[in-house]
Amino acid sequence: LAKTTQPISMDSYEGQEVNITCSHNNIATNDYITWYQQFPSQGPRFIIQGYKTKVTNEVASLFIPADRKSSTLSLPRVSLSDTAVYYCLVGFTGTASKLTFGTGTRLQVTL
Amino acid sequence: NAGVTQTPKFQVLKTGQSMTLQCAQDMNHEYMSWYRQDPGMGLRLIHYSVGAGITDQGEVPNGYNVSRSTTEDFPLRLLSAAPSQTSVYFCAAGGRTDTQYFGPGTRLTVL
Repeated sequence: LAKTTQPISMDSYEGQEVNITCSHNNIATNDYITWYQQFPSQGPRFIIQGYKTKVTNEVASLFIPADRKSSTLSLPRVSLSDTAVYYCLVGFTGTASKLTFGTGTRLQVTL
Repeated sequence: NAGVTQTPKFQVLKTGQSMTLQCAQDMNHEYMSWYRQDPGMGLRLIHYSVGAGITDQGEVPNGYNVSRSTTEDFPLRLLSAAPSQTSVYFCAAGGRTDTQYFGPGTRLTVL
C-alpha cells in the first residue's frame, strides 16, 4: 500500500485559496488518488479523485504531476464551513479494498 | 436511497461483554470496510470485504470478527469488549475506483 504524507495542520482566512499537498512516493501504476473531508462527529466524505493531470469538480481541484509521486488538493475561496480534516488516500479497488487513512491535515479557516 | 446506515449510534458496554455493530448499504457496492477512529486520530482499518463471503483483516483486527453473508450487510462483532476498544466506529461501502461512502458512525464506550 502506498504510504501518504500530509501536513498535520494548516490555517487560512476566509476567501483565500488553500492548497494541501500529499506525498505518495511509492504509488503503484493502478493506484488512484482520492481526497476525503471529515467534520467532527461525522464520517469522511468524498471530495475528489484523480489518476493523473488535473481534475476539477464543483468543490475542489486536484493537481497530479506527471510522476504522480504527489498531489495537491486546491480549495478555492474557503469559508468557515471548510474547517475540517482532509485525508489523502492512494489505492485501487480492482481486486481488493484496503484503503489506509493517514492522520490527515486539519484545516482551520478563520475570519 | 439511504446509503450506508449504522446501528446503534451510541453504545456503552462493560468490560468482557460482547456485541455486534450493524452496517447496511443499499448501493449494491461490492466493497465494505470497518474503521475505528480514536479521539484526535485518523481512521484505522479493522476488517474489509470485497464481496459476499469474502473478508480480510486490516491494520487492527484483533478483538473483532466480521462476516459478509449478503452484499448489503457487514456486521462487526466485538468478542469481549475492552476499554481499549472505546472509539468511534465507521462502516464504509465503496465502488471499484476507491470512492467510499461512510456511515454516520457508532460511538462506543467500554467501561
